[in-house]
Amino acid sequence: DIQMTQSPSALSASVGDRVTITCRASQSIFTWLAWYQQKPGKAPQLLIYKASSLQSGAPSRFSGSGSGTEFTLTISSLQPDDFAIYYCQQYNSFPWTFGQGTKVEIK
Amino acid sequence: QVQLQESGPGLVKPSETLSLRCTVSGGSMNKYYWSWIRQSPGKGLEWIGFVYYSGNTNYNPSLKSRLYISVDTSKNQFSLKLSSVTVADTALYYCARGSSSGFYVSWGQGILVTVSS
Repeated sequence: DIQMTQSPSALSASVGDRVTITCRASQSIFTWLAWYQQKPGKAPQLLIYKASSLQSGAPSRFSGSGSGTEFTLTISSLQPDDFAIYYCQQYNSFPWTFGQGTKVEIK
Repeated sequence: QVQLQESGPGLVKPSETLSLRCTVSGGSMNKYYWSWIRQSPGKGLEWIGFVYYSGNTNYNPSLKSRLYISVDTSKNQFSLKLSSVTVADTALYYCARGSSSGFYVSWGQGILVTVSS
């Protein structure tokens, strides 16, 4: 299985901050990577697919980059609605796997 | 806008079979991959497997020997059966609609299944 490792596991930030989350794959997944946001009591919601494509309806302050084994999710200016847990998912090879999550908290 | 809704028992005894159903509304089941994903504090998000609308399946090897996923497009439903469950199978189970690529746009709200005697 491809292991997905996110860093950091948690971070504290203020509204307006630029936030970057990293996801590393144990082997190359090209650009077959998605990012999700999950809020308490809700299912994950797709933000980014194919490493850098913004899902329809997702705010433009979210962006993704990377290829191969290293990827980043950037929130350009953190908003109150963005405090949540973020997960990456690879869909290059079966079984598809997720990162362990990064919790973004209010400073 | 497609909607998915999980249903089934919230409590299953160890060694028994966990059975869940997902009802799809607001869209056709054709040309999509219908998946089960679970989430537990210990293992995070875990992809269980999918069934294509035609009936073809792909399972997580870690669960394959205990797993059966099926689809009934006439009823707009797909189902999961996981046999010989243990406490490690306690989780929030989501059904989701997958793209041909492998990411998930549409999810159900999730159903908590506890394995306990």
